[in-house]
Amino acid sequence: DIVMTQSPDSLAVSLGERATINCKSSQTVLYSSNNKNYLAWYQQKAGQPPKLLIYWASTRESGVPDRFSGSGSGTDFTLTISSLQAEDVAVYYCQQYYSTPLTFGGGTRVEIK
Amino acid sequence: QVLLQESGPGVVKPSETLSLTCTVSGGSVSGHDWNWIRQPAGKGLEWIGRIHTTGSTNYNPSLKSRVTVSVDFSKNQFSLRLSSVTAADTAIYYCAKDWGGYVPTWLDSWGQGTLVTVSS
Repeated sequence: DIVMTQSPDSLAVSLGERATINCKSSQTVLYSSNNKNYLAWYQQKAGQPPKLLIYWASTRESGVPDRFSGSGSGTDFTLTISSLQAEDVAVYYCQQYYSTPLTFGGGTRVEIK
Repeated sequence: QVLLQESGPGVVKPSETLSLTCTVSGGSVSGHDWNWIRQPAGKGLEWIGRIHTTGSTNYNPSLKSRVTVSVDFSKNQFSLRLSSVTAADTAIYYCAKDWGGYVPTWLDSWGQGTLVTVSS
């Protein structure tokens, strides 16, 4: 199984400031034949199911605000919230779909400082 | 926009079989690929398995011996059966649609989840 490790476990950011979440995979999730990274990001607010934010490591799902961006390649990835809003308080998960079983990171809790 | 809704017993006795159903609306169950994921209270997400439009299935090896995912086209539903449950299977169970393809991908639509507690 590919192990996904997120850091930090939690972070507190002031409104309007940048939040950065890291995700590292135990092996590459870059598929060489199409040069795509098989990585997605989700947001889970309290009491709700996860919501897809980003796939192919950097493609925003329709309707997701452009303050959310994904970057990285191979084994190291980042989700950035460029200007934190109150409604962004949530737990964020990365997920690889390079191979089965699908696996998720442990989550990063984002709070307001 | 596909909408998903899980249903099933909220309590299952140890050693028995957990059975859940996911009802699909706003789309056909035959046109997409379907997954089950679970989340113990306060913890992370664990992928359980998936059924492709062809009927082929992929399961998490950690659960494979106990899991069955199936589709009921007549009811526009898909189902999860998990046998020989223990307290460790207590979790919120989600059904979800993935983008599609021969292998699972990202999960773009989720049900609200249903809490299943294993207890005598």
